[in-house]
Amino acid sequence: DAGITQSPRHKVTETGTPVTLRCHQTENHRYMYWYRQDPGHGLRLIHYSYGVKDTDKGEVSDGYSVSRSKTEDFLLTLESATSSQTSVYFCAISQGGEAFFGQGTRLTVV
Amino acid sequence: AQSVTQLGSHVSVSEGALVLLRCNYSSSVPPYLFWYVQYPNQGLQLLLKYTSAATLVKGINGFEAEFKKSETSFHLTKPSAHMSDAAEYFCAVSPNSGNTGKLIFGQGTTLQVKP
Repeated sequence: DAGITQSPRHKVTETGTPVTLRCHQTENHRYMYWYRQDPGHGLRLIHYSYGVKDTDKGEVSDGYSVSRSKTEDFLLTLESATSSQTSVYFCAISQGGEAFFGQGTRLTVV
Repeated sequence: AQSVTQLGSHVSVSEGALVLLRCNYSSSVPPYLFWYVQYPNQGLQLLLKYTSAATLVKGINGFEAEFKKSETSFHLTKPSAHMSDAAEYFCAVSPNSGNTGKLIFGQGTTLQVKP
């Protein structure tokens, strides 16, 4: 699993509340990514980071923000959760020309 | 814009039969291509990757894929399906060799293996 830990693994939250998901890696990888997985859409890139405080938007970044204050942690924040953000969220790192994924966080917005 | 299309959201085969999962991509530059597998309630695991070397790529668990530039395809095959192959499979493309975690995924194909 390339030393990737996502937390929490499951979360139920109410519409309009802020939510932060954490991705922690132990192997000093430079690049980190957040994806969401939805049926019929595969995985879609939300944001990614190429170093501390260096981030960029992906395909579906609206409604999400990220922060990376330390190499090992990449945080994904939903400022005001909506039902359309109910999804499974995956963190990934890239190493040796390929991506490695965490176990995922299942987020339900009710 | 680059895209990946997987033909067939569900494929069903009998145990021992050939597995063929189709993937077509659009890319204006030579891409890196990947196949990932996802078992229920787990993350994605890399099956194999194409990085502009040999066009026939062998991966784990007996899977292989052939890069055909003229057809813009990267179909995944396995000669004989096992029950344990039942999972969801994703084809993905990375147009940037320096940022191979920035991927464009297909919609996924669920493989069912019947006894």
